[in-house]
Amino acid sequence: DAKTTQPTSMDCAEGRAANLPCNHSTISGNEYVYWYRQIHSQGPQYIIHGLKNNETNEMASLIITEDRKSSTLILPHATLRDTAVYYCIVRDNSGGGADGLTFGKGTHLIIQP
Amino acid sequence: GAVVSQHPSWVICKSGTSVKIECRSLDFQATTMFWYRQFPKQSLMLMATSNEGSKATYEQGVEKDKFLINHASLTLSTLTVTSAHPEDSSFYICSARDRRTSGYGEQFFGPGTRLTVL
Repeated sequence: DAKTTQPTSMDCAEGRAANLPCNHSTISGNEYVYWYRQIHSQGPQYIIHGLKNNETNEMASLIITEDRKSSTLILPHATLRDTAVYYCIVRDNSGGGADGLTFGKGTHLIIQP
Repeated sequence: GAVVSQHPSWVICKSGTSVKIECRSLDFQATTMFWYRQFPKQSLMLMATSNEGSKATYEQGVEKDKFLINHASLTLSTLTVTSAHPEDSSFYICSARDRRTSGYGEQFFGPGTRLTVL
């Protein structure tokens, strides 16, 4: 799976949009971009994933650049409960997603009141 | 939907004893379950992959005789830490893939089990 690069930490004001960047310049055509987050002392939570089109669900939006070398996770109206470590993971699903996930260091997002 | 539970949520044991951790998919059947370990201030590390009815596949550096995995049904996997030592103290987290959406690959994680070995 391709390697990802994320900022170590970010701050965002409560109520504002949080934009979390992720670089994945070596991504290949079969690889999807996944986002998970982990609130302190809990298991990770799936947020969203995409291949090349932008995606939106009830939690967030995922914007993937046309060349697919980077992406941005957008939390439209951040709340204090969104404070967590956010992981961007690139993985090949051609095997049906049968492999475990490789977590990097992620971005520690801190929502400020 | 897609809820995964773990039991116990925390456990303290003496060095040399064995500890069993259960992982259950509550509202779906899991094709595959995964076990991860997370040390303080570090990221999750995949330990092993288990498929129902077959032997688990362990990641390099993970001792299969120390971390016994049993995946007896499509909704239950267990991890037994045998002869636990203080260095095994960690946060153990399981995840499961929903059999219905297995092609998409997203995994659903349990809340984790905090193991402390004295």
